[in-house]
Amino acid sequence: ETGVTQTPRHLVMGMTNKKSLKCEQHLGHNAMYWYKQSAKKPLELMFVYSLEERVENNSVPSRFSPECPNSSHLFLHLHTLQPEDSALYLCASSQGPGRGAGELFFGEGSRLTVL
Amino acid sequence: KNEVEQSPQNLTAQEGEFITINCSYSVGISALHWLQQHPGGGIVSLFMLSSGKKKHGRLIATINIQEKHSSLHITASHPRDSAVYICAVIRSGSARQLTFGSGTQLTVLP
Repeated sequence: ETGVTQTPRHLVMGMTNKKSLKCEQHLGHNAMYWYKQSAKKPLELMFVYSLEERVENNSVPSRFSPECPNSSHLFLHLHTLQPEDSALYLCASSQGPGRGAGELFFGEGSRLTVL
Repeated sequence: KNEVEQSPQNLTAQEGEFITINCSYSVGISALHWLQQHPGGGIVSLFMLSSGKKKHGRLIATINIQEKHSSLHITASHPRDSAVYICAVIRSGSARQLTFGSGTQLTVLP
């Protein structure tokens, strides 16, 4: 148990479906992240939510939309996805700035398959 | 060319061997992470360092800021060390955004 919980762990959806990935952190951190890991590629930052900033990777298509209702919860809403969006989606959290800042705690990931 | 390069991409070792994984980067950084990813997909942060050396159990991480290079060493390797090891850097001026290497797949044989 890393303190970061992702649901669902596995998701299969069609291209016309709408689904959401959920992430919850129990560590009191003030920043949360979505990362995408495709086969044979490095991890790619999608979104960052923190007190200081919201960062969006400009290469992420609009069919992915994040929502961060509070510092403990982060969602990734999915709609009209493409097969190439099939990947492992990882949520992470961190604390900062200050002491202990920067160390990342990851969830177990949500394995998404788009048919 | 990726901003963060790891070598080797794949590494097979016998149990007990000393292992070194290397990471070179081409950008200015404020810190560097070493991460471990097991087959199930979950990632664990092993080290975050900005200078010198850190040790945790059988794992040692070093960084040379001038040479833009970091190494992860595993002493007395064990099959349970088999995983993907990922180097990631925090670019200077960006408190939250990591740039990742492609990872090193380590397999330790009994």
